[in-house]
Amino acid sequence: QVQLHQSGPGLVKPSQTLSLTCAISGDSVSSNSVAWNWIRQSPSRGLEWLARTYFRSKWYDDYAVSLRSRITISPDTSMNQFSLQLKSMTPEDTAVYYCARGTDSRLDYWGQGTLVTVSS
Amino acid sequence: DIQMTQSPSSLSASVGDRVTMTCRASQAIARYLCWYQQMPGKAPKLLIYGASSLQSGVPSRFSGSGSGTEFTLTISSLQPEDFATYYCQQAIDSPRLTFGGGTKVEIK
Repeated sequence: QVQLHQSGPGLVKPSQTLSLTCAISGDSVSSNSVAWNWIRQSPSRGLEWLARTYFRSKWYDDYAVSLRSRITISPDTSMNQFSLQLKSMTPEDTAVYYCARGTDSRLDYWGQGTLVTVSS
Repeated sequence: DIQMTQSPSSLSASVGDRVTMTCRASQAIARYLCWYQQMPGKAPKLLIYGASSLQSGVPSRFSGSGSGTEFTLTISSLQPEDFATYYCQQAIDSPRLTFGGGTKVEIK
């Protein structure tokens, strides 16, 4: 059974960088048949796909166009996890952040979610 | 980006009712459509993919239909555990997945 467990801070100050980690059990971050995603949800923006990373003989990543200049997704094969970094946080980035496994573009396993509040 | 529009935004129903909700895409997406159920404070749960394929472990009272731009999720006999918010998601424009705004199913 695949499980995803998220960790990271719940409060970030404006202009700081958010770092979240998603630990994988029951699958491998290096699997060549799935992708590992970050999604966020807020009342104002709804569910919003942010980024994905996947391995197909080499590592690939994709990002939402609106966040491309601020966001990085990184796999960690030694820990079997992947992470998200989002720079220059503003109150508009306040949301619940989820990691999720993607299989043929369906998101079949999700982390528990992390409420991230941007406030001084 | 492909826009997904769900209707209604909320509905009231009773246990045992047949419930139907709609998702419309701003352009044709063939059958690249998923449905999720979200309980308060929980992550979304995949119910349906490929417009009509039931995810493993999902009760058969859930069904999906449609293709192109219009899709439907039906719950044949609403159960107490089905009161939740339901989201559709297009999967044709991968990785730029986009979601509908949700339909909240409330107790009548």
